Amino acid sequence: GAVVSQHPSRVICKSGTSVKIECRSLDFQATTMFWYRQFPKQSLMLMATSNEGSKATYEQGVEKDKFLINHASLTLSTLTVTSAHPEDSSFYICSARVGATYEQYFGPGTRLTVT
Amino acid sequence: KQEVTQIPAALSVPEGENLVLNCSFTDSAIYNLQWFRQDPGKGLTSLLLIQSSQREQTSGRLNASLDKSSGRSTLYIAASQPGDSATYLCAVRPYGNNRLAFGKGNQVVVIP
Repeated sequence: GAVVSQHPSRVICKSGTSVKIECRSLDFQATTMFWYRQFPKQSLMLMATSNEGSKATYEQGVEKDKFLINHASLTLSTLTVTSAHPEDSSFYICSARVGATYEQYFGPGTRLTVT
Repeated sequence: KQEVTQIPAALSVPEGENLVLNCSFTDSAIYNLQWFRQDPGKGLTSLLLIQSSQREQTSGRLNASLDKSSGRSTLYIAASQPGDSATYLCAVRPYGNNRLAFGKGNQVVVIP
């Protein structure tokens, strides 16, 4: 199946700083990528849908100025957590969709810890 | 609003037994259904994708069925192994909607 990578896999940052997470589709082009957040023992919560070349669509309750999404190419989307706070600590997972079958492939996730 | 339910939430089986995981969804107007596996602290691995026109998909020891009219899917894992221990997530893609609707998962432990 298709492969999606995320970088970094783990990051620890201080409160008030910004963190960028990259999501890449390695062997296919993805016009649509998704960003999820997952709390311990919970299912995935969709944060935003990222379309190549256009602005991301954010889910209700997700602050677009805090979680900046850029989908500059068909293989790369980035999520920047700005002015991070401890409550932003979570597991962030990206996903890319194959256009023909609408199958979604997920990255390995990024564990963000804000101290 | 599409709601996806997975039962049981958690189960343990001895190695070698067959696993049956159930998923139900409230709105039958779906484009497709996907089963995923998630290991602790990891992302999701796509196991099987069933398009709305299909009734089942098979991959190795895994078989997933789809009964769209009754809003049900079953993931069947034959001859379970300790390496099958993980959380299994069911997700449906509603028609005309970008968003996958996820169940909360079946947490499986296969006992050696």
